[in-house]
Amino acid sequence: AQKVTQAQTEISVVEKEDVTLDCVYETRDTTYYLFWYKQPPSGELVFLIRRNSFDEQNEISGRYSWNFQKSTSSFNFTITASQVVDSAVYFCALSESTNFGNEKLTFGTGTRLTIIP
Amino acid sequence: KAGVTQTPRYLIKTRGQQVTLSCSPISGHRSVSWYQQTPGQGLQFLFEYFSETQRNKGNFPGRFSGRQFSNSRSEMNVSTLELGDSALYLCASSPIIAEAGKFFGPGTRLTVL
Repeated sequence: AQKVTQAQTEISVVEKEDVTLDCVYETRDTTYYLFWYKQPPSGELVFLIRRNSFDEQNEISGRYSWNFQKSTSSFNFTITASQVVDSAVYFCALSESTNFGNEKLTFGTGTRLTIIP
Repeated sequence: KAGVTQTPRYLIKTRGQQVTLSCSPISGHRSVSWYQQTPGQGLQFLFEYFSETQRNKGNFPGRFSGRQFSNSRSEMNVSTLELGDSALYLCASSPIIAEAGKFFGPGTRLTVL
C-alpha cells in the first residue's frame, strides 16, 4: 500500500527566510508520480508540481525548488526568500497508477506554513 | 481558460437527507476525480471517472456514488447523510496529456446537522 508522510505539522518562519517542507513516501511500484499542492485559506488545492519516478533531476521554478531522492524516498520542497503570500497548507501526494483515467492520489497530512511579516 | 467549477459552494443538510454535488472540469479535460477532506481523515480519494466510466473507487460506503456525463461534467451523490459526511468535497480534472497535473476546483463545503 502506498503512504505519504509529512512529519512537519506546522512551520513558522520569518519573511525572507528559506524553508524546506519534507515529504517521505512509500510505494512498491517502480513507476509512480509525486505531487505538491498548496491550499490557501480559500480552500482550493493549487497544483505546484508533478514529477515521475524516472526523473530525479531537481526542479526550480522561481522561488520554489524540489529535491527528489529515490534512495531515501523523499520529495522535499524548498521555498526561498519566503513571502507572506506563501502562508498556506502544503500537501505532498503520490500516485501509483500510470494509466490515464485511473489515477488515485494518496495525500500526506499536510504542513501548515506560516510566514511571519 | 476557466478553471474547475463546483456547485454549490456551500450546503447545509440534515441527517438522513441526500445531496448532489456538481463539478464542471476544465474545457477539454476528460478525467474527473473526487476527494473528501476532513480535519480527522485528511484528503481521501472517492472515485475517478474517465469517458463516463468509473475507473477507480476509494474506500467509501455505497452511499457515495457518482457519474460522469458525455460533456465530462460530473456529479456525486451522497444518500442518507450522516454527521460524519460533513466535509469539503473537492473535484479535480485532468487533461489528456499525461504529464500534466490534476487541477482542483474550490470545493463544496457540506455541513450535516
